[in-house]
Amino acid sequence: DTGVSQDPRHKITKRGQNVTFRCDPISEHNRLYWYRQTLGQGPEFLTYFQNEAQLEKSRLLSDRFSAERPKGSFSTLEIQRTEQGDSAMYLCASTPETSQETQYFGPGTRLLVL
Amino acid sequence: LAKTTQPISMDSYEGQEVNITCSHNNIATNDYITWYQQFPSQGPRFIIQGYKTKVTNEVASLFIPADRKSSTLSLPRVSLSDTAVYYCLVAGGYNKLIFGAGTRLAVHP
Repeated sequence: DTGVSQDPRHKITKRGQNVTFRCDPISEHNRLYWYRQTLGQGPEFLTYFQNEAQLEKSRLLSDRFSAERPKGSFSTLEIQRTEQGDSAMYLCASTPETSQETQYFGPGTRLLVL
Repeated sequence: LAKTTQPISMDSYEGQEVNITCSHNNIATNDYITWYQQFPSQGPRFIIQGYKTKVTNEVASLFIPADRKSSTLSLPRVSLSDTAVYYCLVAGGYNKLIFGAGTRLAVHP
């Protein structure tokens, strides 16, 4: 399967713990996006990278959140000192350079903070 | 980024054609119109994209009038597996996507 992959698919953690999610985009897609989705709502933009450069961050991305894409391939999203309000589906998407707006999404990582 | 308005929910029956209309009155000249489908516990899946007139692929058709202030996603002969949330988005370039709440389509036997 050459689609966007995310790991883990599910994560349960206790409040105050740190968690890290990984996204592997489609090969050669130079743009990578992170979104968060809560129940009953559409995905909300968090941040995006062009190659290894993080070009935009949403106000939703508090200081507890950090994202990296060190080699311009896979990306990680870390949440420090998790709170119950962080419980959501975290989605990753990637875009090929030749596409105007087609973002290809991964299956998401569902986070539950107890 | 242009905002979109679409019905919160729709119901249909197997074998019927479903048309979901989206309003985007403030669409910019360089904006494309894109529709995504999302099943529970999965990421959104690209369905179709267009700029003007009509676009058709193996899954759906997209109708865009000349003023581009609205668009209609047409799903021919829906089946139970088409039950999902459908999102209409408009954006230009490589911008982030702004999702609304989408349209929850329920297909009944």
